[in-house]
Amino acid sequence: AQSVTQPDIHITVSEGASLELRCNYSYGATPYLFWYVQSPGQGLQLLLKYFSGDTLVQGIKGFEAEFKRSQSSFNLRKPSVHWSDAAEYFCAVGSYYGGATNKLIFGTGTLLAVQP
Amino acid sequence: DTGVSQDPRHKITKRGQNVTFRCDPISEHNRLYWYRQTLGQGPEFLTYFQNEAQLEKSRLLSDRFSAERPKGSFSTLEIQRTEQGDSAMYLCASSRAQGESNEQFFGPGTRLTVL
Repeated sequence: AQSVTQPDIHITVSEGASLELRCNYSYGATPYLFWYVQSPGQGLQLLLKYFSGDTLVQGIKGFEAEFKRSQSSFNLRKPSVHWSDAAEYFCAVGSYYGGATNKLIFGTGTLLAVQP
Repeated sequence: DTGVSQDPRHKITKRGQNVTFRCDPISEHNRLYWYRQTLGQGPEFLTYFQNEAQLEKSRLLSDRFSAERPKGSFSTLEIQRTEQGDSAMYLCASSRAQGESNEQFFGPGTRLTVL
């Protein structure tokens, strides 16, 4: 069965420090992987996605993620965190059918707090 | 704003009542998805449409839940005989059926509280 695990429920980092959020997936075929961010009162916003090709993908807001098939991981990174990055981050895996991903399966999320 | 919109944003109801939520997708998107998100969890897939056809339903979508997309544009999600366990955020998303971008764009959600 498809699943996504985000082992860290809550992470606190200092502003300016680097960040890595972990994501492990279980999927039988080639996964389509996504990172979304959710701020209070806001909808989910896509940060980046991986479909194929280069395993290091760049996203918005200075985020990047690396797909490692051997580790079934898709960790999100940012070299220097800003206070505005405080939010909840969700990793998701999508199956691909008929020219597009259909349903997304999300992890339980990692809540990021940023200390001044 | 041409994003996904949902109405209402908040709904408080008493147990046993019926509720209906509406989602207006991005106009050129022919796929529409419903998800449910409970506190401390990630969104869980409920169902999706391509145009007016409902292509997949989750086992989470009990017989008290029904979704429609009659003209392939907006969609409604109805919950009959609400239960306290239905309290959650209901999220709608839309995407193109094909193309390079398979991004699902999410609306702000409808927060349901069942008393």
